[in-house]
Amino acid sequence: QLHLQESGPGSVKPSETLSLTCTVSGGSINTRSYYWGWIRQPPGKGLEWIGSIYYSGSTYYTPSLKSRVTISVDTSKNQFSLRLSSVTATDAAVYYCARQLSGRTYWYFDLWGRGTLVTVSS
Amino acid sequence: QSVLTQPPSVSGAPGQRVTISCTGSSSNIGAGYDVHWYQQLPGTAPKLLMYGNTNRPSGVPDRFSGSKSDTSASLAISGLQAEDEADYYCQSYDSSLSGSVFGGGTKLTVL
Repeated sequence: QLHLQESGPGSVKPSETLSLTCTVSGGSINTRSYYWGWIRQPPGKGLEWIGSIYYSGSTYYTPSLKSRVTISVDTSKNQFSLRLSSVTATDAAVYYCARQLSGRTYWYFDLWGRGTLVTVSS
Repeated sequence: QSVLTQPPSVSGAPGQRVTISCTGSSSNIGAGYDVHWYQQLPGTAPKLLMYGNTNRPSGVPDRFSGSKSDTSASLAISGLQAEDEADYYCQSYDSSLSGSVFGGGTKLTVL
């Protein structure tokens, strides 16, 4: 049974960089079958896709965050990571990592981590 | 303002049937991209509830059904149960944004 687990600091200072890691267990991240994504949810609000990465390193980012986001993959550790620079209060959210299936007409997230809350505070 | 539009809330009594709509545009649902639905119980991570417009993952009761037409999609829940009380999100791919888009979410209240 594949399991995803987010980890990283629970608090980040304004203007600094948020860094999170998603560790995949029970299966390999090094597979052509899936992408791996990050989604966030501000408190009391809806879901926002941040970006996704393929095992080869190909990335896709949501346009509104593209200038500040970097997603990377480390297949040797079975992990993928998120970096979001120059954070502000609006970046405070629960951050989820998820496994993503993609095809010609579909793109969806079939397995999710439990999420990790990141606050932005000085 | 979400790219996909959902009603903020719906409600129904136990045993009733409710539907949740998801309206998109010609760059997502209308372009032929599939719609997927997620259920988020209070305090938990979202869970895939429906994929490819009408397909239920293993373990999802057949009380849940999905449909898609033109630029919109719907999730129907029949035989409402107390444990169905949750937030529901639709999701698709948007060619203009070259990525995933979510609806704003619908809170289902079981009366």
